[in-house]
Amino acid sequence: QVQLQESGPGLVKPSETLSLTCTVSGGSITSSTYYWAWIRQPPGEGLEWIGSIYYTGSSYYKPSLKSRATMSVDTSKNQFSLNLRSVTAADTAVYYCARQPLEWLDYWGQGALVTVSS
Amino acid sequence: SYELTQPPSVSVSPGQTASITCSGDKLEDKYVSWYQQKPGQSPVVVIYHDNKRPSGIPERFSGSNSGNTATLTISGTQAMDEADYYCQVWDTSPLVVFGGGTKLTVL
Repeated sequence: QVQLQESGPGLVKPSETLSLTCTVSGGSITSSTYYWAWIRQPPGEGLEWIGSIYYTGSSYYKPSLKSRATMSVDTSKNQFSLNLRSVTAADTAVYYCARQPLEWLDYWGQGALVTVSS
Repeated sequence: SYELTQPPSVSVSPGQTASITCSGDKLEDKYVSWYQQKPGQSPVVVIYHDNKRPSGIPERFSGSNSGNTATLTISGTQAMDEADYYCQVWDTSPLVVFGGGTKLTVL
């Protein structure tokens, strides 16, 4: 059974960088079948896709976040990561990582609440 | 950019059929997935590729996609089905697009 677990600081100051890591267990991040995605959900709001990355490092971002977001993959640790720069209160959300068999998202992490506040 | 539109809320009586719609331009040309999210929990996929059910999802969940509208149908709705439901498509690039979500109330 594939499991994903987000980790990272729960509190980030405005203008700083939000950094999260997703650890994948029960399956290899180097599988050719999957992308690996980040999705966020502000409190009381809907789901917002941030971006997806392939194990080779090829990545795709939501256009409105592309200038601030960077994803990476560490195949030796079976992990992938998200950095979001210059955060504001609007970036406060539960951040999810998920496995993406291209057209859909089949396994999700439990989510990590990140609050942007001074 | 591509947009998906869902009704904010749908109500259904226990045992009845609930239908949640998702609208988008030429939606039938894309694969639609549906996710169920209960309060405080991560989303769970209930339908993918328009009408396929993942292992473990009850048969009362079904999906269809035609024209500009996809529909998630829950037959014999149970109290445990009360949740938020999101549709999602994969657009080119690739990109992932979610609908705004529908709150299903079972009363």
